[in-house]
Amino acid sequence: GAVVSQHPSWVICKSGTSVKIECRSLDFQATTMFWYRQFPKQSLMLMATSNEGSKATYEQGVEKDKFLINHASLTLSTLTVTSAHPEDSSFYICSADGALDTQYFGPGTRLTVL
Amino acid sequence: QKEVEQNSGPLSVPEGAIASLNCTYSDRGSQSFFWYRQYSGKSPELIMFIYSNGDKEDGRFTAQLNKASQYVSLLIRDSQPSDSATYLCAVNIGQGGKLIFGQGTELSVKP
Repeated sequence: GAVVSQHPSWVICKSGTSVKIECRSLDFQATTMFWYRQFPKQSLMLMATSNEGSKATYEQGVEKDKFLINHASLTLSTLTVTSAHPEDSSFYICSADGALDTQYFGPGTRLTVL
Repeated sequence: QKEVEQNSGPLSVPEGAIASLNCTYSDRGSQSFFWYRQYSGKSPELIMFIYSNGDKEDGRFTAQLNKASQYVSLLIRDSQPSDSATYLCAVNIGQGGKLIFGQGTELSVKP
């Protein structure tokens, strides 16, 4: 149980384009999902908290107009990186809040912006 | 600033030995504590969670929590090369399920 999927698992795009990443909780409902970014050899950095049916809460320093988050249902949250640039290349990981506030992570999406 | 501190390592242990991973946290109000394992290039995988003072055992893994000392640890018995990974300590600070992560300890188990 407590399986979280992400799609796509990797994506390569040109600078200036937008990329959408989906995060799904497959066998449980998640009122809250989280989006993280991780650069090589560094720890997880929380970008935003996504609550079903309401606006996401962004961490300090994260541009909400660049990283659009939508949590339209209890099993799906999406992250759209708008006008991506090479510095946005990273490993993006979502997690879903399960029972007892335990976070279950998706497999991650590796984004490369050329 | 709520913080979670871990030794970055690397921690190297021989196969079959006990690996001890430590974590301290700054927020006394923290209620739940988690250990995640992250293999290189992969996302974190939940190993254990603990809420109460004392020990919690699951197979080869034992989590230990001491709220008075603001200290949580993970012991891995009979370490295997497949245990080689980065271990992340995470603390729930009571803000809507938000976790604060330590920087992770890299564990290397040598055959």
